[in-house]
Amino acid sequence: DSGVTQTPKHLITATGQRVTLRCSPRSGDLSVYWYQQSLDQGLQFLIQYYNGEERAKGNILERFSAQQFPDLHSELNLSSLELGDSALYFCASSHGTGNYGYTFGSGTRLTVV
Amino acid sequence: DQQVKQNSPSLSVQEGRISILNCDYTNSMFDYFLWYKKYPAEGPTFLISISSIKDKNEDGRFTVFLNKSAKHLSLHIVPSQPGDSAVYFCAASGQDSGNTPLVFGKGTRLSVIA
Repeated sequence: DSGVTQTPKHLITATGQRVTLRCSPRSGDLSVYWYQQSLDQGLQFLIQYYNGEERAKGNILERFSAQQFPDLHSELNLSSLELGDSALYFCASSHGTGNYGYTFGSGTRLTVV
Repeated sequence: DQQVKQNSPSLSVQEGRISILNCDYTNSMFDYFLWYKKYPAEGPTFLISISSIKDKNEDGRFTVFLNKSAKHLSLHIVPSQPGDSAVYFCAASGQDSGNTPLVFGKGTRLSVIA
């Protein structure tokens, strides 16, 4: 158990729908990062939050949004889903003071049918 | 445009031999590099890192080499064990990797054959 919790582990939904992925960071970590891993692709950075505020944005579609709540958990909202949104979505957290990168959750596998 | 490239999607190595995984980067502003290992159904886990002020970092069976002039790094695993079979991701960042988004390569699947 890495200490980063992602729910749900699997999600199957239809095109056009909206889903919410949830992430609880490791205790004490202030930064949350969302990454997408599609077939044959590496981990694509989507967005970072630090202590409740958006810190950095990557290749995140306008149909996607995220937020970090006062208790530091984060949610990634995906709307108007398309077949191409099927992927593994990883959340990672970091404290920000070390040189050991992030701690990742085990991911949410989203399948859009 | 991929800033971090792992050009070998897969690699097979005999148990006990050396595994060498390669990674190239294009952004000269990167100054911190990490390797992550990923097993199926799990998230990536941190393996080893290296700062751009060094050219080698060793941790047990794992050694990372950095050649800044060539913008190239490699991960050596000696000796390779069946439990090392996983996908290995190379990642890069600016200083303080804990607070800047890591840029990842596509990964190399290592298979260690007993």
